[in-house]
Amino acid sequence: QKEVEQDPGPLSVPEGAIVSLNCTYSNSAFQYFMWYRQYSRKGPELLMYTYSSGNKEDGRFTAQVDKSSKYISLFIRDSQPSDSATYLCAMTPITGTASKLTFGTGTRLQVTL
Amino acid sequence: GAVVSQHPSRVICKSGTSVKIECRSLDFQATTMFWYRQFPKQSLMLMATSNEGSKATYEQGVEKDKFLINHASLTLSTLTVTSAHPEDSSFYICSASGGSPLHFGNGTRLTVT
Repeated sequence: QKEVEQDPGPLSVPEGAIVSLNCTYSNSAFQYFMWYRQYSRKGPELLMYTYSSGNKEDGRFTAQVDKSSKYISLFIRDSQPSDSATYLCAMTPITGTASKLTFGTGTRLQVTL
Repeated sequence: GAVVSQHPSRVICKSGTSVKIECRSLDFQATTMFWYRQFPKQSLMLMATSNEGSKATYEQGVEKDKFLINHASLTLSTLTVTSAHPEDSSFYICSASGGSPLHFGNGTRLTVT
């Protein structure tokens, strides 16, 4: 079993839809959770960063962490074609300069007109 | 925000030659940088942790003599793929943190012919 499980998709939604992306994990030591967006042939771009359980909102993006269920989510409201990309969840037990991330496999999202 | 610059973005080389990839933190000092490899439609695979002023730490299965890492300063780490072969063709990405969380370079696409 992988430490972090993420549905690879692809997930196709119409423009304006609410998108829900999810990851589950098995390591209870994970404390810091991140969502990255990666466009084709580019490096991952940090979208959201949360610590422990709870919600965090930034514009159209909301990140949720439920440590009791070992489950994290990223919601995208009013999805746009420019949101079409691969979304990677990542997590680590520690923060700081030496934090080694464990990634999900990434979910490919396609927002259609 | 934190910026990580990676160069070159794309390189094509002949089998048997060596290729050097640079990773720079532009507006912060990074005592630790990470090198990842990504195959098409797959997630990032950590290759090694680059530590300023000391030897890199390689992940299991990564040949340290093939993938030479040098972290000569707090803003620069280099990855040299020695005696490259076609199976080394991949997307190589570095990351660094000036605190938390990790930011990524835009990657280097290596093609070995």
